[in-house]
Parts: sequence; C-alpha cells; structure tokens
Amino acid sequence: GAVVSQHPSRVICKSGTSVKIECRSLDFQATTMFWYRQFPKQSLMLMATSNEGSKATYEQGVEKDKFLINHASLTLSTLTVTSAHPEDSSFYICSAYRTDSSYEQYFGPGTRLTVT
Amino acid sequence: GENVEQHPSTLSVQEGDSAVIKCTYSDSASNYFPWYKQELGKRPQLIIDIRSNVGEKKDQRIAVTLNKTAKHFSLHITETQPEDSAVYFCAASKGAGNQFYFGTGTSLTVIP
Repeated sequence: GAVVSQHPSRVICKSGTSVKIECRSLDFQATTMFWYRQFPKQSLMLMATSNEGSKATYEQGVEKDKFLINHASLTLSTLTVTSAHPEDSSFYICSAYRTDSSYEQYFGPGTRLTVT
Repeated sequence: GENVEQHPSTLSVQEGDSAVIKCTYSDSASNYFPWYKQELGKRPQLIIDIRSNVGEKKDQRIAVTLNKTAKHFSLHITETQPEDSAVYFCAASKGAGNQFYFGTGTSLTVIP
C-alpha cells in the first residue's frame, strides 16, 4: 500500500504555455500533499504544501501565481506551471501523507518538465 | 525555519567498507529524521528513519544515530555493496503532517 503516482512522467512544452502535473494517492487518502522541485545534482526544494479543500501554502520565493496548486480531493493534487519558461525546466516531485497515520511521506515518481 | 546541513557532499568507499553521512539540524522542535536513497531520475526511497525519542535504530546493514542535544544525526552503512551507490538525503520534520526539510545530499560511490 501507500502508492503515489504522477502524470505525466515527462513533458515537453513551449515557452509561454502552461502545463499541468497530477499527483494521486492510489490506495490511501491524503489530506496533505507536498510539491518539490529538484534541479540536477541538487536537493529537493519544497515549493508548497497542498491541503485538501484549502489554499496551498507556498514557501518563500515561490510564485503562487506561476505555480498554481489545487487539492480538490483526498487523492488528487495538481500543479500547474503557467506561462512556462526554460528556467522552469526541472524535476517536479510530489509526496503525500496518509490521513490515517504516520510520520512517513510517500513520494511520487516525479515529472521531468522541459520547456523549449 | 529549519535548516538541515549534510556532509560530505560526495563519498567514495571500497566495497565492503563502511560509509558514514552526517546531518545537523537547527530547530529543536524537529522530532522525525528520515533518510532517503535516490537513484538518478527516480523517486526518493525511504531507507531508515528515527524519531526523537530514540537514540539509535538499526536495520541490517543500515543504522541511524541521533543526538538531540547536539542536534545531529548520522547514517551508517556497513559492508557496502556497489548497489548502495546513489544519492542519499537526510531530512528533518516536526512530525506527522509537517513538511520535510532536506539536506543537500551525499553522492555515494561504492568501488568494486
């Protein structure tokens, strides 16, 4: 149990367009999900905390109007990168807490975004 | 906020030797410290974790120690194998439902 999926796994988009990434908890409910960004050979940088039914909490320096997060159900959070630019190219990873337990976060497989 | 530092950034060991990675944290309210292994392009995988009410935890070749007073915790891998080669991240959290603050990562290479 405790599987998190992400879709798509890879996406290439043109500069100026928007792209949506989905994060799903497949076999558990997740009140809280997190979105991370990871540049090559660097650590995971927390972008925002996504809470079901409420507005996301963004980390300092993360533009909330550019990275739109929606957590409309207990199993789905989405990250939309609006007006993407080449510098937004990165590996985006989500994670989720099980509502019913534990300290452990379960990570999705990540989405490789390339903006051309 | 929390600040997690991790050392070393790279580590090479001979197969069969031990590897030690160290992390420090700044927020005394942090009480959960997981360690993740990440292979290139893959998701982080939890390898071991420790809560603040415990000083040491071991799982086969992997162990973690925690010193709450000094605010540091360490990962110990014994009898290293080539398949242990990966990037390892430590993290600190204030517990269930709270965000993780990750260290900067250690690239471990085990030389056959």
